[in-house]
Amino acid sequence: DIQMTQSPSSLSASVGDRVTITCRASQSISNYLNWYQHKPGKAPRLLIFAASRLQSGVPSRFSGRGSGTDFTLTISSLQPEDFATFYCQQSYSTPLFGGGTKVEIK
Amino acid sequence: EVRLVESGGGLVQPGGSLRLSCVASGFLFSSYTLHWVRQAPGKGLEYVSGINSDGANTSYAKSVKGRFSISRDNSKDMLSLQMGSLRAEDMAVYYCARAFYYDSTGYFYDTWGQGTLVTVSS
Repeated sequence: DIQMTQSPSSLSASVGDRVTITCRASQSISNYLNWYQHKPGKAPRLLIFAASRLQSGVPSRFSGRGSGTDFTLTISSLQPEDFATFYCQQSYSTPLFGGGTKVEIK
Repeated sequence: EVRLVESGGGLVQPGGSLRLSCVASGFLFSSYTLHWVRQAPGKGLEYVSGINSDGANTSYAKSVKGRFSISRDNSKDMLSLQMGSLRAEDMAVYYCARAFYYDSTGYFYDTWGQGTLVTVSS
């Protein structure tokens, strides 16, 4: 079975910081990797699909890169509304989410 | 507006059963694969089960296989999850989510419900 490892599990950052989250698959998943933002009490929100394609309506400060086994989500300038938990999810085989990265205010 | 609304959550004893429902609106329900995804307290998101557009193909996470059953009624725009032999570790917020395929393999969840809470406790 494919395993998804996300790092870090949490981070503290300030408004305006550049933040990068990493997701690693235990075997190649091509570019079948999505990123979601999840806030407490809300439904998850799709940010990036197919590793690097920005979902309609998502601010351009969010970007994704990678293929094969290594992927990153970058927020170029962290905004107050971005504090949340972020998950990667592979759609290459049985759906699987990474463990999540909680982005907190420093 | 594309919408998914879950219901049916509640308190159930270990070993008990519960049926969750998810009603769709704003899109052609019969054209989409749908999944159930859950989040246990303090934990991350976990895939539970999925069903294709006509209901002919289903899949389950290993953790629920043999205990949960997914189904859909395209005439009522409704997705269901029958949960049995419930355990403490099944306690979670359960979300239904629409899977949007952009190629033959790749999909993403573009629409989610607000979730329904299942509590398993004696």
